[in-house]
Amino acid sequence: AQSVTQPDIHITVSEGASLELRCNYSYGATPYLFWYVQSPGQGLQLLLKYFSGDTLVQGIKGFEAEFKRSQSSFNLRKPSVHWSDAAEYFCALNTGGFKTIFGAGTRLFVKA
Amino acid sequence: GAGVSQSPRYKVAKRGQDVALRCDPISGHVSLFWYQQALGQGPEFLTYFQNEAQLDKSGLPSDRFFAERPEGSVSTLKIQRTQQEDSAVYLCASSLVAGGGDVKTQYFGPGTRLLVL
Repeated sequence: AQSVTQPDIHITVSEGASLELRCNYSYGATPYLFWYVQSPGQGLQLLLKYFSGDTLVQGIKGFEAEFKRSQSSFNLRKPSVHWSDAAEYFCALNTGGFKTIFGAGTRLFVKA
Repeated sequence: GAGVSQSPRYKVAKRGQDVALRCDPISGHVSLFWYQQALGQGPEFLTYFQNEAQLDKSGLPSDRFFAERPEGSVSTLKIQRTQQEDSAVYLCASSLVAGGGDVKTQYFGPGTRLLVL
């Protein structure tokens, strides 16, 4: 069965520091992969997506993610975190059907 | 409209009450999804509509949950005889199907937070 694992329940980084949020998936082929961000009381906002092609994808708000087939990973990165980036981040996959499977999320805390 | 809207934003129900949650998708979006997000968890798929057709309802937890989209636009998720375990945020999302490379990109509404007492 397909699944998404986000190993870190929460992460704290200092403002201005770099960030990497981990995401691993289980699926026999290459899925469609997504990263969403959810601020308190808000819906999910799409940060970036990978469908095919270049394995390094750029998203909004300065985020990027790299698809690594050999590691079944799709980690999210940002070179310099801003206080406004504090939120919950969800990795998700779709295998071509109707269902999108989400990870449990990683909560990002940013300290001054 | 500019985005997906949901109403009400918050709902408190007594156990055993029926509730109805509304979703207005982005205009022209053919696909509509409902998700349930429990506290501290990621969204879990409930059901999917393509226009007015409910093509997948495998994620609905029980027969107390019912969804409809009679005219292929607005959708309603109804929960009958609510239970405490139904307390969650219910998210609606829409996407554009039939053409284009973004068919799998879903746009989410703000959600309805349901609390069953």
